[in-house]
Amino acid sequence: EVQLVQSGAEVKKPGESLKISCKGSGYSFTTYWIGWVRQMPGKGLEWMGIIYPGDSETTYSPSFQGQVTISADKSISTAYLEWSSLRASDTAMYYCARLRCSGGRCSSRSAFDIWGQGTIVTVSS
Amino acid sequence: EIVMTQSPATLSVSPGERATLSCRASQSVGSNLAWYQQKPGQAPRLLIYGASTRATGIPARFSGSGSGTEFTLTISSLQSEDFALYYCQQYNNWPPYTFGQGTKLEIK
Repeated sequence: EVQLVQSGAEVKKPGESLKISCKGSGYSFTTYWIGWVRQMPGKGLEWMGIIYPGDSETTYSPSFQGQVTISADKSISTAYLEWSSLRASDTAMYYCARLRCSGGRCSSRSAFDIWGQGTIVTVSS
Repeated sequence: EIVMTQSPATLSVSPGERATLSCRASQSVGSNLAWYQQKPGQAPRLLIYGASTRATGIPARFSGSGSGTEFTLTISSLQSEDFALYYCQQYNNWPPYTFGQGTKLEIK
């Protein structure tokens, strides 16, 4: 079964650092782009950025550039989303998702076909 | 950044009836348009990609159409499990690949 399993809920204080994870299984992790999507409480979906685990090529949304770091460790089929200094406004559900691929080197121009279950991050003093 | 606008914000439809959801892009995205369904407490699920191709396991009552800037998701005969939030997303121009703000499909 193809799946993405995310790390558990986090409660942090403003200014703290955090790294959440997304482990892929059931497919070739290095050949599919993985992305991160934010959903703030009661709000819609926001595309944050994507990474190609095969070579760690990464692209960020301008809204999130410099605010978070996306990385991957292909040896353990895991992608990460990291903050160096959290803010209360980072409180949200974060989803990882795999970009659909139709063959060859998978294109970054694609929809998300497999989603993780989400990681809820709460930042509060 | 391409802005995706969905309408209506809320759609009230009776079970068994047809639902039509719209999505408009601020500039052409070709056919690089996806639709997702999200139920409360769940992750989104891909329904349609390439504007009109159903994803694996999606029932035939879901169909997508359109190209360029105007897109439609049609659910031909609503089942109880179809009442949810629906989002469109363009993946033609990036970054970012923007989502619409969502349409809530509720039971009339």
